[in-house]
This record gives sequence, structure tokens and C-alpha cells, in this order.
Amino acid sequence: GAVVSQHPSRVICKSGTSVKIECRSLDFQATTMFWYRQFPKQSLMLMATSNEGSKATYEQGVEKDKFLINHASLTLSTLTVTSAHPEDSSFYICSAGLAGDGTQYFGPGTRLLVL
Amino acid sequence: GQQLNQSPQSMFIQEGEDVSMNCTSSSIFNTWLWYKQDPGEGPVLLIALYKAGELTSNGRLTAQFGITRKDSFLNISASIPSDVGIYFCAGLTGGGNKLTFGTGTQLKVEL
Repeated sequence: GAVVSQHPSRVICKSGTSVKIECRSLDFQATTMFWYRQFPKQSLMLMATSNEGSKATYEQGVEKDKFLINHASLTLSTLTVTSAHPEDSSFYICSAGLAGDGTQYFGPGTRLLVL
Repeated sequence: GQQLNQSPQSMFIQEGEDVSMNCTSSSIFNTWLWYKQDPGEGPVLLIALYKAGELTSNGRLTAQFGITRKDSFLNISASIPSDVGIYFCAGLTGGGNKLTFGTGTQLKVEL
């Protein structure tokens, strides 16, 4: 149980284009989903918290117009990297939380490379 | 943001050895979680701890929630090659839903 999927697993795009990453909780409903970014050999950095049906809460220093988050249902959240640049290249990981538990279950991650 | 301090940063052990790593904080947490991350993958939950002093096992893994609520440790007994990876601790404060992650411990197992 508590399986989270991400799509795509890896994407290469040209600078200036937008990229959408999907995060789905497959066997449970997630009231809250989280988006993280991870650089090589570093820990996970929380970018934003999204709740179904409401606006995402972004961490300090994360541009909300750059990283658009939509949490349309209890099983789907999307992260769109708009006008991507090479410095946006990273490993993006989502997680989903179960209500009242605090535990987060992570997706397999999406490797983004912007040329 | 705040990060939890994990030690050791990395360790290189022989197959069959026991492994111990810990996670410390200057703040109190109400929940401690231990995750393992393989290269190119997302973290996988190993053990969740919800109560100070709690000792929980999952197969060869054992984790404890420190009584001060400022630390936790993870033990792996009789390590095997597939234990290789990065282990992260994560803490959750009461009433919040944002995890604070540790700096990670990289485990390498020598055959």
C-alpha cells in the first residue's frame, strides 16, 4: 500500500520551454502532497506543499510563478516548471501524506535536464 | 531551512557487519522517520517512530526514538550488499506536516 507514482521519470527539454511533472497516489487519497528538489549528493529540499482544492504554499526562495503547482484531486498533483533554464536541471521528487499520520510516501522522482 | 545532523556522513563496511547511524537535532520532534534512497530513485520509508523511547524493528532494521525527542538512531544487523544506499532521517513537529530531513548517511558494503 501507499504507492506514489511520478511521470515522466526523466525529461530533457530545451531552454525556454515548460515541463509538467505529474504525481499520483495510486492506492490512497492524499490530502496533502509535497514537492521536493534534490541536487547530487545532497538532501531533499522542500519546494512547496499543496492541498487539494487550494493554492500551494511555497517555501522561502521558491518562485511560485516559476514552479506552478496544481492539486486537482486527492490523487493527483502536478508541478510545471515554466520557461525552464539549465539551472532548473535537477531531480524533482513528490510525496503524498496520509491524513493524521504525518508520514510521507515518496514517488520515484523525475530527472529534469534543461539544455 | 533547518536540517537534522546525521552521522556518520558515510561508512564503508564489510558484508555481515552490523551498522549504526544516528540523527540529532536542537529541536524537539514528535515523529521520526527513516528512509532509504537508492541512486536515481525516491526515498522509501523504512521505519516510522511516533513515541519518545519507542523501539521499532522492521526485519534487520531497528530504530529508536530518543527519550529527549531530539535524536533517533537506526541499526542494521548483518548487512548485505543491497543495503547500499543513502539513509535519511526525517522529523515532524507536532501539529505540522512538513518534514525536516537529515543530511544523509551513505552506506557502502564491501563483499
